[in-house]
Amino acid sequence: SQQGEEDPQALSIQEGENATMNCSYKTSINNLQWYRQNSGRGLVHLILIRSNEREKHSGRLRVTLDTSKKSSSLLITASRAADTASYFCATASGGSNYKLTFGKGTLLTVNP
Amino acid sequence: EADIYQTPRYLVIGTGKKITLECSQTMGHDKMYWYQQDPGMELHLIHYSYGVNSTEKGDLSSESTVSRIRTEHFPLTLESARPSHTSQYLCASSDSGPQSIYEQYFGPGTRLTVT
Repeated sequence: SQQGEEDPQALSIQEGENATMNCSYKTSINNLQWYRQNSGRGLVHLILIRSNEREKHSGRLRVTLDTSKKSSSLLITASRAADTASYFCATASGGSNYKLTFGKGTLLTVNP
Repeated sequence: EADIYQTPRYLVIGTGKKITLECSQTMGHDKMYWYQQDPGMELHLIHYSYGVNSTEKGDLSSESTVSRIRTEHFPLTLESARPSHTSQYLCASSDSGPQSIYEQYFGPGTRLTVT
């Protein structure tokens, strides 16, 4: 069964608006990471949050983690057309910080 | 920009052919991974390696095999391609040094079509 599930599956917003994507997972994690994928190409790492952290920021990105609810959210503020991509959460669990299980992703479309 | 390369980028091949997908990284990372991804879907880990001469099967069963003879090289081989192998294959690497933040660096992928 899938460890990470993103919600919504697709999101369409206007440039300048904020985009929020959610990720839920099933088992305890060591860390949770968010990646971005442009149009079927390779993924790019955005941000990592460890299991003992609750919130992290990186530029226009804000990630929260609620281990009691086994969920995370990614907020992109002041979105741009160039943010159009698929966003995946990935969890590292068990004895590894490295072996990741990916969710199905959220397709974000930012309209100019 | 990640220094991880995959060739070929696109491959269309007939059923029964043997194929090798190449993956190389110049970052000296000890850990490397192969993922399979169908269009619009999640990535599934099919193989990983934590160092030279170390390979493990991932969470998704795959008929492919891998080898890790050199740190920088992690090729994936299909002995007899079938239409069910049609997919995108993504290679990634990560570092486990003291400054590691566990992120994975991805190559651009190989889109395989088996006819």
